[in-house]
Amino acid sequence: SQQGEEDPQALSIQEGENATMNCSYKTSINNLQWYRQNSGRGLVHLILIRSNEREKHSGRLRVTLDTSKKSSSLLITASRAADTASYFCATDRDDKIIFGKGTRLHILP
Amino acid sequence: NAGVTQTPKFQVLKTGQSMTLQCAQDMNHNSMYWYRQDPGMGLRLIYYSASEGTTDKGEVPNGYNVSRLNKREFSLRLESAAPSQTSVYFCASSGRTGNQPQHFGDGTRLSIL
Repeated sequence: SQQGEEDPQALSIQEGENATMNCSYKTSINNLQWYRQNSGRGLVHLILIRSNEREKHSGRLRVTLDTSKKSSSLLITASRAADTASYFCATDRDDKIIFGKGTRLHILP
Repeated sequence: NAGVTQTPKFQVLKTGQSMTLQCAQDMNHNSMYWYRQDPGMGLRLIYYSASEGTTDKGEVPNGYNVSRLNKREFSLRLESAAPSQTSVYFCASSGRTGNQPQHFGDGTRLSIL
Protein backbone atom coordinates (compact mmCIF):
# COMPACT_ATOMS: atom_id res chain seq x y z
CA SER A 1 0.00 0.00 0.00
CA GLN A 2 1.76 3.09 -1.33
CA GLN A 3 1.72 6.20 0.82
CA GLY A 4 3.86 8.55 -1.29
CA GLU A 5 3.53 8.91 -5.03
CA GLU A 6 6.23 10.70 -7.05
CA ASP A 7 5.58 12.72 -10.17
CA PRO A 8 6.79 12.60 -12.88
CA GLN A 9 7.80 8.96 -13.22
CA ALA A 10 10.70 9.97 -15.46
CA LEU A 11 12.41 13.27 -16.25
CA SER A 12 15.16 14.19 -18.70
CA ILE A 13 16.81 17.62 -18.59
CA GLN A 14 19.95 19.28 -19.90
CA GLU A 15 22.96 19.57 -17.64
CA GLY A 16 22.86 22.88 -15.80
CA GLU A 17 19.06 23.09 -15.72
CA ASN A 18 16.99 22.72 -12.57
CA ALA A 19 15.06 19.52 -11.87
CA THR A 20 11.83 19.43 -9.87
CA MET A 21 10.16 16.29 -8.58
CA ASN A 22 6.94 16.11 -6.63
CA CYS A 23 5.56 13.73 -4.04
CA SER A 24 1.95 13.44 -2.93
CA TYR A 25 0.79 11.40 0.02
CA LYS A 26 -2.52 10.33 1.47
CA THR A 27 -2.50 10.44 5.28
CA SER A 28 -1.03 12.81 7.83
CA ILE A 29 2.69 12.50 8.50
CA ASN A 30 5.27 13.43 11.10
CA ASN A 31 8.06 13.76 8.56
CA LEU A 32 8.93 13.18 4.93
CA GLN A 33 12.27 12.05 3.56
CA TRP A 34 13.90 12.07 0.13
CA TYR A 35 16.38 9.43 -1.03
CA ARG A 36 18.53 8.96 -4.14
CA GLN A 37 19.39 5.64 -5.74
CA ASN A 38 22.14 5.32 -8.31
CA SER A 39 21.93 2.41 -10.71
CA GLY A 40 22.86 -0.87 -9.03
CA ARG A 41 23.29 0.70 -5.58
CA GLY A 42 21.34 1.09 -2.39
CA LEU A 43 19.34 4.19 -1.45
CA VAL A 44 21.12 7.18 0.00
CA HIS A 45 19.33 9.57 2.35
CA LEU A 46 19.22 13.16 1.09
CA ILE A 47 17.04 15.20 3.40
CA LEU A 48 14.34 14.90 6.08
CA ILE A 49 11.68 17.55 6.58
CA ARG A 50 9.37 17.53 9.58
CA SER A 51 5.66 18.28 9.39
CA ASN A 52 6.13 21.65 11.11
CA GLU A 53 8.73 22.77 8.54
CA ARG A 54 7.86 24.32 5.19
CA GLU A 55 11.23 24.40 3.46
CA LYS A 56 14.67 22.91 3.90
CA HIS A 57 17.94 23.30 2.01
CA SER A 58 21.00 21.12 1.65
CA GLY A 59 23.61 22.25 -0.87
CA ARG A 60 21.91 22.26 -4.30
CA LEU A 61 18.80 20.59 -2.89
CA ARG A 62 15.67 22.41 -1.81
CA VAL A 63 12.71 20.55 -0.34
CA THR A 64 9.32 22.06 0.36
CA LEU A 65 6.43 20.56 2.28
CA ASP A 66 2.78 21.62 2.09
CA THR A 67 0.83 19.60 4.65
CA SER A 68 -2.47 21.20 3.63
CA LYS A 69 -2.03 19.79 0.12
CA LYS A 70 -0.26 16.65 1.34
CA SER A 71 2.58 17.24 -1.07
CA SER A 72 6.32 17.84 -1.18
CA SER A 73 8.74 18.87 -3.88
CA LEU A 74 12.46 18.27 -4.39
CA LEU A 75 14.36 20.84 -6.43
CA ILE A 76 17.88 20.12 -7.65
CA THR A 77 19.53 23.28 -8.94
CA ALA A 78 22.27 23.47 -11.59
CA SER A 79 22.03 19.77 -12.39
CA ARG A 80 25.12 17.67 -13.11
CA ALA A 81 25.64 14.33 -14.86
CA ALA A 82 26.21 12.75 -11.43
CA ASP A 83 22.61 13.65 -10.47
CA THR A 84 21.34 10.97 -12.87
CA ALA A 85 19.55 8.57 -10.52
CA SER A 86 16.15 7.59 -9.17
CA TYR A 87 14.68 9.74 -6.42
CA PHE A 88 12.22 8.45 -3.83
CA CYS A 89 10.09 10.15 -1.24
CA ALA A 90 9.30 8.29 1.97
CA THR A 91 6.69 9.09 4.58
CA ASP A 92 6.30 7.74 8.09
CA ARG A 93 3.34 5.58 9.03
CA ASP A 94 2.85 3.40 12.10
CA ASP A 95 6.48 3.69 13.16
CA LYS A 96 7.72 2.63 9.69
CA ILE A 97 8.54 4.56 6.56
CA ILE A 98 6.81 3.87 3.26
CA PHE A 99 8.56 4.57 -0.03
CA GLY A 100 7.03 5.81 -3.24
CA LYS A 101 7.83 4.28 -6.63
CA GLY A 102 10.35 6.95 -7.52
CA THR A 103 11.21 9.45 -10.25
CA ARG A 104 13.94 8.47 -12.71
CA LEU A 105 16.05 11.54 -13.48
CA HIS A 106 18.35 11.59 -16.49
CA ILE A 107 20.75 14.49 -16.99
CA LEU A 108 21.66 14.98 -20.65
CA PRO A 109 25.16 16.27 -21.53
CA ASN B 1 33.28 3.02 7.15
CA ALA B 2 31.47 -0.15 6.07
CA GLY B 3 27.95 1.01 7.06
CA VAL B 4 25.52 -1.75 6.04
CA THR B 5 27.01 -4.88 4.50
CA GLN B 6 24.92 -7.46 2.66
CA THR B 7 26.01 -10.91 1.53
CA PRO B 8 25.87 -12.39 -1.00
CA LYS B 9 25.65 -9.75 -3.76
CA PHE B 10 24.21 -12.19 -6.31
CA GLN B 11 22.51 -15.56 -6.02
CA VAL B 12 20.66 -17.92 -8.34
CA LEU B 13 18.42 -20.55 -6.79
CA LYS B 14 16.14 -23.25 -8.07
CA THR B 15 12.49 -23.32 -7.05
CA GLY B 16 12.13 -24.98 -3.66
CA GLN B 17 15.68 -24.31 -2.48
CA SER B 18 16.31 -22.39 0.71
CA MET B 19 18.81 -19.69 1.51
CA THR B 20 19.64 -16.99 4.03
CA LEU B 21 20.55 -13.42 3.16
CA GLN B 22 22.91 -11.84 5.65
CA CYS B 23 23.05 -8.22 6.77
CA ALA B 24 25.32 -6.50 9.26
CA GLN B 25 25.64 -2.86 10.32
CA ASP B 26 28.43 -1.18 12.23
CA MET B 27 26.66 2.07 13.19
CA ASN B 28 25.23 0.82 16.51
CA HIS B 29 21.73 1.30 15.14
CA ASN B 30 18.74 -0.08 17.01
CA SER B 31 16.45 -0.69 14.04
CA MET B 32 16.98 -2.84 10.97
CA TYR B 33 14.84 -3.56 7.91
CA TRP B 34 14.51 -5.86 4.92
CA TYR B 35 12.98 -4.56 1.68
CA ARG B 36 12.47 -5.97 -1.76
CA GLN B 37 12.60 -3.84 -4.89
CA ASP B 38 10.84 -4.91 -8.07
CA PRO B 39 10.62 -2.93 -11.34
CA GLY B 40 7.90 -0.31 -11.14
CA MET B 41 7.02 -1.22 -7.53
CA GLY B 42 9.41 0.87 -5.49
CA LEU B 43 10.61 -0.60 -2.19
CA ARG B 44 8.32 -2.80 -0.15
CA LEU B 45 9.01 -3.65 3.48
CA ILE B 46 9.24 -7.38 4.21
CA TYR B 47 10.17 -7.43 7.92
CA TYR B 48 11.74 -5.07 10.36
CA SER B 49 13.31 -5.16 13.80
CA ALA B 50 12.72 -2.06 15.90
CA SER B 51 15.27 -3.18 18.47
CA GLU B 52 17.37 -6.20 19.35
CA GLY B 53 15.11 -9.09 20.29
CA THR B 54 12.04 -7.90 18.36
CA THR B 55 10.83 -8.49 14.81
CA ASP B 56 7.63 -7.44 13.06
CA LYS B 57 5.97 -8.07 9.72
CA GLY B 58 6.00 -5.44 7.05
CA GLU B 59 3.91 -5.15 3.90
CA VAL B 60 4.96 -8.41 2.16
CA PRO B 61 6.14 -10.98 4.77
CA ASN B 62 4.72 -14.17 3.24
CA GLY B 63 7.39 -16.70 2.27
CA TYR B 64 10.08 -15.11 4.45
CA ASN B 65 11.44 -15.41 7.97
CA VAL B 66 13.90 -13.20 9.81
CA SER B 67 16.27 -13.42 12.74
CA ARG B 68 17.75 -10.51 14.66
CA LEU B 69 20.86 -12.37 15.74
CA ASN B 70 22.26 -9.49 17.79
CA LYS B 71 22.29 -5.71 17.53
CA ARG B 72 24.53 -5.79 14.45
CA GLU B 73 23.02 -8.60 12.40
CA PHE B 74 19.61 -9.18 10.81
CA SER B 75 19.13 -12.12 8.45
CA LEU B 76 16.37 -12.93 5.97
CA ARG B 77 15.53 -16.54 5.14
CA LEU B 78 13.65 -18.00 2.21
CA GLU B 79 12.57 -21.49 3.26
CA SER B 80 11.27 -22.65 -0.13
CA ALA B 81 12.12 -20.21 -2.87
CA ALA B 82 9.53 -19.38 -5.53
CA PRO B 83 9.99 -17.53 -8.86
CA SER B 84 7.84 -14.68 -7.47
CA GLN B 85 10.62 -14.01 -4.99
CA THR B 86 13.02 -13.04 -7.76
CA SER B 87 13.95 -9.51 -6.77
CA VAL B 88 16.62 -7.21 -5.41
CA TYR B 89 16.71 -7.34 -1.62
CA PHE B 90 17.92 -4.41 0.46
CA CYS B 91 18.82 -4.29 4.11
CA ALA B 92 18.73 -0.98 5.95
CA SER B 93 19.30 0.32 9.46
CA SER B 94 18.42 3.43 11.44
CA GLY B 95 18.86 4.80 14.92
CA ARG B 96 15.22 4.04 15.58
CA THR B 97 12.09 3.50 13.56
CA GLY B 98 9.87 6.11 11.98
CA ASN B 99 11.60 9.46 12.00
CA GLN B 100 15.27 8.87 11.35
CA PRO B 101 17.16 8.41 8.09
CA GLN B 102 17.77 4.87 6.99
CA HIS B 103 21.15 3.64 5.75
CA PHE B 104 21.07 1.03 3.01
CA GLY B 105 23.32 -1.77 1.84
CA ASP B 106 23.96 -2.26 -1.85
CA GLY B 107 21.52 -5.12 -2.21
CA THR B 108 21.39 -8.81 -3.03
CA ARG B 109 20.21 -9.68 -6.55
CA LEU B 110 18.31 -12.94 -6.26
CA SER B 111 16.99 -15.00 -9.18
CA ILE B 112 14.75 -18.01 -8.65
CA LEU B 113 14.54 -20.36 -11.61
